[in-house]
Amino acid sequence: DQQVKQNSPSLSVQEGRISILNCDYTNSMFDYFLWYKKYPAEGPTFLISISSIKDKNEDGRFTVFLNKSAKHLSLHIVPSQPGDSAVYFCAARSYGQNFVFGPGTRLSVLP
Amino acid sequence: EPEVTQTPSHQVTQMGQEVILRCVPISNHLYFYWYRQILGQKVEFLVSFYNNEISEKSEIFDDQFSVERPDGSNFTLKIRSTKLEDSAMYFCASSRNSGGAANEQFFGPGTRLTVL
Repeated sequence: DQQVKQNSPSLSVQEGRISILNCDYTNSMFDYFLWYKKYPAEGPTFLISISSIKDKNEDGRFTVFLNKSAKHLSLHIVPSQPGDSAVYFCAARSYGQNFVFGPGTRLSVLP
Repeated sequence: EPEVTQTPSHQVTQMGQEVILRCVPISNHLYFYWYRQILGQKVEFLVSFYNNEISEKSEIFDDQFSVERPDGSNFTLKIRSTKLEDSAMYFCASSRNSGGAANEQFFGPGTRLTVL
C-alpha cells in the first residue's frame, strides 16, 4: 500500500540547472507535507514543508509546490549545486496521524 | 545547533538476542519517534511516544519491540529477540510539538543493526 509515491528512483541534473523532484499521494486526507534530504550514513534532514492550505512555499533555493486536485507535490531546487546530491524523501500525514514516507529519489548534481 | 544523537552507530547481534538502541532527543522536544529503513527500501514509521506512553505504533511494532524513556534525556528502542529481518537502519526522531510547523521531526544519524 504505497500512499506516497516517488516514481523516479534517481535524477541527474547539471550544476546550475533546476532540479525537480516529484511526489504523488493517494490519501486525500493528507494535509501536511515535508521534504527531507538524506546523505549516506546520516539521518534525514528536514528541508521544507507545506500545508494543504497553501499551494507554494519557498525557502531560498528550495520551493515546494502542492497541487491538491492532482494529489501531487514537487520540490524545485534552483540553482542546483553539487552539495545537493542526496536522496530526497517526500513525507505526508493527515491530522493527528504520523508521517508516511515515499521511497526517495536519488539526486545527482553533476559539476 | 541542538541535534538528536544515537548510539551505537552500528550494532551486530546474533539472531534471538536482545538489543537496545539508544537515542538522546533534542532537550526541549516532547514527541519522540522511531523509524527504520531496510536497505534499499523506504523509511518506515515504527512508533511515536509522548508523555511517557506510546501514542501510535505501526503494524511492524509488534510484541518484540518496546520503547522506554528511562530518564529525562534518553529514549530507547528494545528488540527482545532479534530476527534476521530486523536488520535495518533505525532512526530516532524528535519534535517540539505534534501539529503545524512545530511538527518538523529532527532525525538522528541512525543505528545500523545487523542480525546474523
